[in-house]
Amino acid sequence: TQLLEQSPQFLSIQEGENLTVYCNSSSVFSSLQWYRQEPGEGPVLLVTVVTGGEVKKLKRLTFQFGDARKDSSLHITAAQPGDTGLYLCAGETGGFKTIFGAGTRLFVKA
Amino acid sequence: NAGVTQTPKFRILKIGQSMTLQCTQDMNHNYMYWYRQDPGMGLKLIYYSVGAGITDKGEVPNGYNVSRSTTEDFPLRLELAAPSQTSVYFCASSLLSGANVLTFGAGSRLTVL
Repeated sequence: TQLLEQSPQFLSIQEGENLTVYCNSSSVFSSLQWYRQEPGEGPVLLVTVVTGGEVKKLKRLTFQFGDARKDSSLHITAAQPGDTGLYLCAGETGGFKTIFGAGTRLFVKA
Repeated sequence: NAGVTQTPKFRILKIGQSMTLQCTQDMNHNYMYWYRQDPGMGLKLIYYSVGAGITDKGEVPNGYNVSRSTTEDFPLRLELAAPSQTSVYFCASSLLSGANVLTFGAGSRLTVL
C-alpha cells in the first residue's frame, strides 16, 4: 500500500513566523501536488512539482521535491492569517491515480 | 466557469436508505473521480472514470456505484446507507495533460443515522 505521510498534523503559529510542512513516502512519484483546503470547500491546487530536486516559489510559499521523488516540503515565510487552512500533499503514482496525505492543519493567529 | 458542481451540499440519511450524489463538470475533462474525506484520514478514492461509459473501482468502492453516461456527469449512488458512509464526498475532474491536476467540487456532507 502506498502511503503519503504528512507532518506535523496540526500547527498553530503567530503571524509573521516561518513554518515548514513535510510530506514523505517510501514510493516514487511521477509528480507531486500541494493543495490547500478551506472549511466547506474542496481542495485547490497550489503547485505541481515534477523533477527530482525541483524548487518552486509562489510568493511566500516555497515548495521542494526530493531528489528521489519520494518526499516534498512546503515552507511558508512570514505566515499570515490568510494562510490558515488544511494543506494536502498528493502524489501521482503513474497514469492518473493520485493518493493523498492526511493533511496538515495550519492556524495562523493575528 | 462553474468548474465542478456537486449537489446536494448536505444530506442526512437513515440506515438502509438510498441516494445519489450528483456531479457535473463543464471543462470537458475526460477523467472524473469520487473521493471521500474522513477526519485525519486524507482523501480516499472511491471510483474513477477515464471517459464516458468507462468506470473502475478505487481504493474504497464497497457500498457505492457509479455511472458515466456523458462526459459531463458522474453520479455516485449509495444503495443501502450505513453509518460507516458518514463522510464528506468530493467529486473531481482532470484533463491529464502532463501532471494530473485535479479540480474539485465544493463537497457533499453526508450523515447516516
